[in-house]
Amino acid sequence: QVQLVESGGGVVQPGRSLRLSCAASGFTFSSFAMHWVRQAPGKGLEWVALISYDGSKEYFADSVKGRFIISRDNSKNTLSLQMNSLRVEDTAVYFCARSASPVDAVDIWGQGTRVTVSS
Amino acid sequence: QTVVTQEPSFSVSPGGTVTLTCGLSSGSVSTSYYPSWYQQTPGQAPRTLISSTNSRSSGVPDRFSGSILGNKAALTITGAQADDESDYYCVLYMGSGIWVFGGGTKLTVL
Repeated sequence: QVQLVESGGGVVQPGRSLRLSCAASGFTFSSFAMHWVRQAPGKGLEWVALISYDGSKEYFADSVKGRFIISRDNSKNTLSLQMNSLRVEDTAVYFCARSASPVDAVDIWGQGTRVTVSS
Repeated sequence: QTVVTQEPSFSVSPGGTVTLTCGLSSGSVSTSYYPSWYQQTPGQAPRTLISSTNSRSSGVPDRFSGSILGNKAALTITGAQADDESDYYCVLYMGSGIWVFGGGTKLTVL
């Protein structure tokens, strides 16, 4: 079945880095755009980043631009989010999600991985 | 910076009809924003209900429908059931690969 499984979350100090991964299965990963969406504790959803099916285009929310890097390895069916210069306000559950294209809605979501930025 | 607006909370009686809306702090929502709707219960991943204004996702009951009403996108639940009690989020495509979520609506069924 179609599945997205995130990993890599944890507790990290402000200013440090963390790398999240998302393993995709059950579909042709290289045909889909992929997103990261996060949700701070008790808050709503926030779109974070998007990468095109072939990795040639990347887009970021202003809140993470210049600090986060999104990438994908289509040979390994894996999506990544490299998070640098982490801030307390980056504390959230991070979901990976797929869409047919950058202008299509997300249709499949992972279960999320929790990131806590705290000293 | 454009803000996507949603009602913070709404309540509906079982069997009733409720319409949640998704607007912009400046301007009108049209189909060009590809409005989509998601349902989320506490501790769970979101579930996609509606994409591109009014396309229902696979497995979503037909009591959920999407539309443009006036200058906003809308999600209508007809014949609300107890398990529709959830948080509902809309998201709009702002162009240039950028998506923005609304703040969410907490729907109570009572």
